[in-house]
Amino acid sequence: AQSVTQLDSQVPVFEEAPVELRCNYSSSVSVYLFWYVQYPNQGLQLLLKYLSGSTLVKSINGFEAEFNKSQTSFHLRKPSVHISDTAEYFCAVLIFNKFYFGSGTKLNVKP
Amino acid sequence: EAQVTQNPRYLITVTGKKLTVTCSQNMNHEYMSWYRQDPGLGLRQIYYSMNVEVTDKGDVPEGYKVSRKEKRNFPLILESPSPNQTSLYFCASSSPPQWVQYFGAGTRLSVL
Repeated sequence: AQSVTQLDSQVPVFEEAPVELRCNYSSSVSVYLFWYVQYPNQGLQLLLKYLSGSTLVKSINGFEAEFNKSQTSFHLRKPSVHISDTAEYFCAVLIFNKFYFGSGTKLNVKP
Repeated sequence: EAQVTQNPRYLITVTGKKLTVTCSQNMNHEYMSWYRQDPGLGLRQIYYSMNVEVTDKGDVPEGYKVSRKEKRNFPLILESPSPNQTSLYFCASSSPPQWVQYFGAGTRLSVL
């Protein structure tokens, strides 16, 4: 069965500190990988994606994620977070036309 | 403006009363999908559609129906809602090869 695991349900961090949100997936076939962000009372927005090519992908607001095939991981990182990054983050995979989402990680950035 | 529109945003109903949540996209996307979001469970896919008249089950299809008669519309039908279908529902659309999903604002459903 396919699955996506986000082990950390909540991550508190101080402003300007680095952060890593972990995502692991289980699949024996090739996948496409995504990170989405959800701000309070809103729908989800794409943060970044990996389809092929370079295993390190970056977003316009300083986040990056690295696809590690051997560890079946796609962890999200940011070297210095801002208060405005407070949101819930979801990892997702696309396998044979079906999307699977993780349970989400709430990032709480404190001043 | 590119968007996915869901209606209604909020809905309170009673057990057994049929309801439909509409979803429309203006991006000519081939792929459309319905999700439910529950605390601690993330988003779970209910149904998806690869194109007109082509629909398939996601992970949690029981109790739901969908149809795709036009490319832009993908309504979600609950023929006999039950309290365990109380949830936040999202519609999304995308297209290969980029597969970026665009989400609607959500429909919060309460079944009493």
